[in-house]
Amino acid sequence: AQKITQTQPGMFVQEKEAVTLDCTYDTSDQSYGLFWYKQPSSGEMIFLIYQGSYDEQNATEGRYSLNFQKARKSANLVISASQLGDSAMYFCAMMANFGNEKLTFGTGTRLTIIP
Amino acid sequence: DTGVSQDPRHKITKRGQNVTFRCDPISEHNRLYWYRQTLGQGPEFLTYFQNEAQLEKSRLLSDRFSAERPKGSFSTLEIQRTEQGDSAMYLCASSVRTGTEAFFGQGTRLTVV
Repeated sequence: AQKITQTQPGMFVQEKEAVTLDCTYDTSDQSYGLFWYKQPSSGEMIFLIYQGSYDEQNATEGRYSLNFQKARKSANLVISASQLGDSAMYFCAMMANFGNEKLTFGTGTRLTIIP
Repeated sequence: DTGVSQDPRHKITKRGQNVTFRCDPISEHNRLYWYRQTLGQGPEFLTYFQNEAQLEKSRLLSDRFSAERPKGSFSTLEIQRTEQGDSAMYLCASSVRTGTEAFFGQGTRLTVV
C-alpha cells in the first residue's frame, strides 16, 4: 500500500519569498513516480512537476523544484519567488510504475501568498 | 489542445435519483481515470480504463457505481440511488502512458439533497 503525508494544512508566505511544501511517502514499490498538483479554487488539478524514483537529479520546472530525498522518503516542493497567483491547494501524489496505475494523494496544503 | 472535459460541472439531485457524468479525455490518451474528492481531502481513486477495458476498481466503487468507456474514447460514470454521502467532486483524468502525468478535468460537483 502507498501512503502520502502532508503535515502542513496551511501556510502563509510573503509575496516574492520562496516556500517549501513538505511531503513524505511510504511505499514498498521499488519503481514509482512522485507528482505535485496545484488546485485553485476553480477545482481543476494542475500538474506541476514529476520525479521518478530512479532519477538522480532533482526535477525542476520553471519556479518549481522538487527536493527528492529517497532515503528519507521525502519529496518536498519548492516554489521560488512566490506570486499571488500561487495561492491554492497543493497536493503531493505518487504512483507505482508497474501494475498499480492509481495516483495516491495526500491531504494537501493550502498556500496563501500575502501581498 | 482542448484538455480533459467533464460534463456537467455541477449537479444537484434528490436522494435516490440516478445521475450520470461524462468525461472526454485528451484525444491521444488511452488511459482514463475517475477520482472522487470530498471537502478537505485529496482525490481518491475510483477506477481506471486502458482504452475500453476497465482494469481496476476501488473498493470505494460500490455496486451503485458503474463506469464505462465503450469505444475507448469518452467515459461515463453513473451513480444509482444516490445517497447524501455521494456528495463530492468527481474528477476525471487521462494520461498517455504509465509513469507520466495525468491531466485532470475541472470536475463535476455533485450535491445530493
